[in-house]
Amino acid sequence: QVQLVQSGAEVKKSGASVRVSCKASEHTSITYYMHWVRRAPGQGLEWMGIIDAYGGSTAYAQKFQGRLTMTTATSTGTVYMDLNGLTSEDTAVYFCARAPLKATALDFWGQGTLVTVSS
Amino acid sequence: YVLSQPPSLAVAPGTTARVTCGGNNIGGYSVHWYQQKSGQAPVLVVYDDIKRPSGIPERFSGSNSGNTATLTISGVEAGDEADYYCQVWDGSGDPDYVFGSGTKVTVL
Repeated sequence: QVQLVQSGAEVKKSGASVRVSCKASEHTSITYYMHWVRRAPGQGLEWMGIIDAYGGSTAYAQKFQGRLTMTTATSTGTVYMDLNGLTSEDTAVYFCARAPLKATALDFWGQGTLVTVSS
Repeated sequence: YVLSQPPSLAVAPGTTARVTCGGNNIGGYSVHWYQQKSGQAPVLVVYDDIKRPSGIPERFSGSNSGNTATLTISGVEAGDEADYYCQVWDGSGDPDYVFGSGTKVTVL
């Protein structure tokens, strides 16, 4: 059973940047994709982007283009999500979620990381 | 691509809950369903329209045809109270991966 462990809660000021990490407990040579999804207070799930955990190619939702970057450290099985230009609207719980193939379901999820943006 | 779900659904224990997900020709897509309980991460309960991941009770089932996909929960239990989201991959759109707006299932 794959477990995804995310970094801890963050509190940031408006305009700042945040990095959230996601480490897979079972780091194997089997390729997979990692998604980032967030849920803001009172809102539903929102897809942000996807990264090939081994190849490093990415695809982002247009909404986040220019301020979202996803990277991968293959040696440690860790994926990173960097979001800059934070506003109060970015206050949310951020989840990483794995998918075995690019168009398949998100089968394992991290525990979530609360990012709070204050002015 | 837009997926529409009813905001809420209230059901009595032991009955059947049907959560719908509407989309233009959604029957042509593979639909996945996630359960998110309060304060927890989402859990995949149905994938590829009708398949159940290991460990998900048989009470959870899915169907998909025409413009509506449905998640059916039979013999609803108190522990099924959660938000439920449908999701598809739309490789030609933005965003590529689309979630429905979510349905809050309340067990009376």
